Amino acid sequence: GQSLEQPSEVTAVEGAIVQINCTYQTSGFYGLSWYQQHDGGAPTFLSYNGLDGLEETGRFSSFLSRSDSYGYLLLQELQMKDSASYFCAVRDPPSSDSWGKLQFGAGTQVVVTP
Amino acid sequence: GAVVSQHPSRVICKSGTSVKIECRSLDFQATTMFWYRQFPKQSLMLMATSNEGSKATYEQGVEKDKFLINHASLTLSTLTVTSAHPEDSSFYICSARGPTGQGIRAPGNTIYFGEGSWLTVV
Repeated sequence: GQSLEQPSEVTAVEGAIVQINCTYQTSGFYGLSWYQQHDGGAPTFLSYNGLDGLEETGRFSSFLSRSDSYGYLLLQELQMKDSASYFCAVRDPPSSDSWGKLQFGAGTQVVVTP
Repeated sequence: GAVVSQHPSRVICKSGTSVKIECRSLDFQATTMFWYRQFPKQSLMLMATSNEGSKATYEQGVEKDKFLINHASLTLSTLTVTSAHPEDSSFYICSARGPTGQGIRAPGNTIYFGEGSWLTVV
């Protein structure tokens, strides 16, 4: 089986930096993805790490350490619109029939205050 | 880019009735789609994998007779909630694997989600 753990909620002020950690236990591993979801909406893909290291996409960065089964999403220069739920997720490898299936963490609610 | 459309976005039905939710890939063929359910303030939980031309694969604990999945064409999968009850009220969302060939070059963003459907059973 697979499990992913992330904090339930993080609160920060506008302009601050927030780091959301995700630890995982998986029987197989093919990368860690991050999704953002606003209330009532569909999840939006943010970032993916297939290899160790840092991936930077604008104000958002994601890091992976496969030896530690750990990753994080870094949100910089927080804006009010960043208030949302953030999910880490693992997926089956592309060589499997079930690739594309995602298992999500419980989600972290990020609250940005003025 | 690839787009997945889901319909209806919101539906209210009476307890005991059935409701159908459609998931369409608009500009690509999706041989495999996935159905998730999300209760308020919770995570997305995979319900089943929908395979074109064959039976769906259900996750443990999901009642296949209650949640009927049909994937009769390469662009359409449907989820029918039969004999719906108030506890079935939830956000249902589908996803589809992107077109063949994207997986290796861009594995991180080749899963496309529909807009989701809010089901309220009264």
